[in-house]
Parts: sequence; structure tokens; C-alpha cells
Amino acid sequence: EVQLVETGGGLVQPGKSLKLTCATSGFTFSTAWMHWVRQSPDKRLEWIARIKDKSNNYATDYVESVKGRFTISRDDSKSSVYLQMNSLKEEDTATYYCTRGYTDYWGQGVMVTVSS
Amino acid sequence: DIVMTQTPLSLSVAIGQSASISCKSSQSLKYSDGKTYLNWVFQSPGQSPKRLIYQVSKLDSGVPDRFSGTGSETDFTLKISRVEAEDLGVYYCCQGSYSPGTFGGGTKLELK
Repeated sequence: EVQLVETGGGLVQPGKSLKLTCATSGFTFSTAWMHWVRQSPDKRLEWIARIKDKSNNYATDYVESVKGRFTISRDDSKSSVYLQMNSLKEEDTATYYCTRGYTDYWGQGVMVTVSS
Repeated sequence: DIVMTQTPLSLSVAIGQSASISCKSSQSLKYSDGKTYLNWVFQSPGQSPKRLIYQVSKLDSGVPDRFSGTGSETDFTLKISRVEAEDLGVYYCCQGSYSPGTFGGGTKLELK
């Protein structure tokens, strides 16, 4: 059974940092392209980052609104993908989902609230 | 970025009736490999989203054949025949043909 479990969310002040972790199991992680998608409080979904597999040089891509602030990475030995979020803004407040292959499988999500 | 526009915003149906949701993209979603990466995902209340249909019309494993997806280029439709209570929630179309992937605003399926 495919499982994705996100951790690391919480309440953080604007300008601060947070790192999300997505631990996976039930599939061959090393060949999977992994993504982060977020859902704002008004329920809109937004794709924010993707990392390819080793054969594709772990290439990354980001939505414009997070470029230069967020970094996606992975550890194939731990079947985990990460999202380092720096310089957080109030508009980053959302539930963050880790997904396999854009929308194939989703985790349960983790809430991030950016507020002073 | 490609804009995905869904209509209607909400849909009230009785159990056993059919429902249809439209999704239009601001440009053709047919990729250079000939495939069209248009998916439909469903989110029931309090749950994380789940993909139902990929590449316009292919049903994910375990998805009832009451669901069907059609369309091409910029116009797509999700149809649910014989709506059941478990189908109530929000449906989103999304495109993965071009980066960044983008989602429609969602259609809430409610009980009449």
C-alpha cells in the first residue's frame, strides 16, 4: 500500500523558516518524481515544487511564487522528500501535501500557518 | 501559466441522478508526446485529495465505472452517472502537460 506521511508543520512568524518532511512507503521511491502541492484556506490547490529521480539528475522545478524561498530535496535512502521553506509570508499559509507523480497519490497533509 | 476554469462552482444533485462538470483550459493540453495530461481529483470533506481520472479518460484503480472523463485540447468533462452519497465533495480538474501544473477552482457536489 502506498503511503505518504507529512510532518513538520506548525505556526511560524513571517520571515522565519520551516522544513517539511514526507516519509513514504509502498512503492519504489528512488524512481518516483515527487511533488509538493498546497491548499490555501479558501480550498484552492496550487502545485509548488517537483523533484525528479536520479536518472534525471534530481532536477527541480518551482512555481514562481516560491522560487528563491523554497527548496525541494530528497533522500532516496530514507524514501523521503523534503520542503525547506524560508522567508515565509502570510500568503504561504496552507495545508501542504506531498504527492507522488503530480497527483497520483497524496499524503494526509500538514498545516502551515504563517502569522505574527 | 495555463488557467483552468471549472463550471459550475457548485452542483446540487439527488442520489441516483447524474452530474456533469466542465473544465476548460486557456490553451491546448495536448503535449508533444501526443498525450493529454488532464486529471480529475476528488476531495471528500476532511480528507486529502485523491486522483480519479488521468489522461482525460483513464480511471484509476478502484474508481467505479459510474465515473467517466471525456474531452480534448481545451474542453473536458467529468460525468458521474447515478450519484451516490460517497461522491459528495469537491472535484478539481488539473493539468500536468506544462509547468507549472495548475488546478481548476473546484466544483462542490452537494445533495439536493
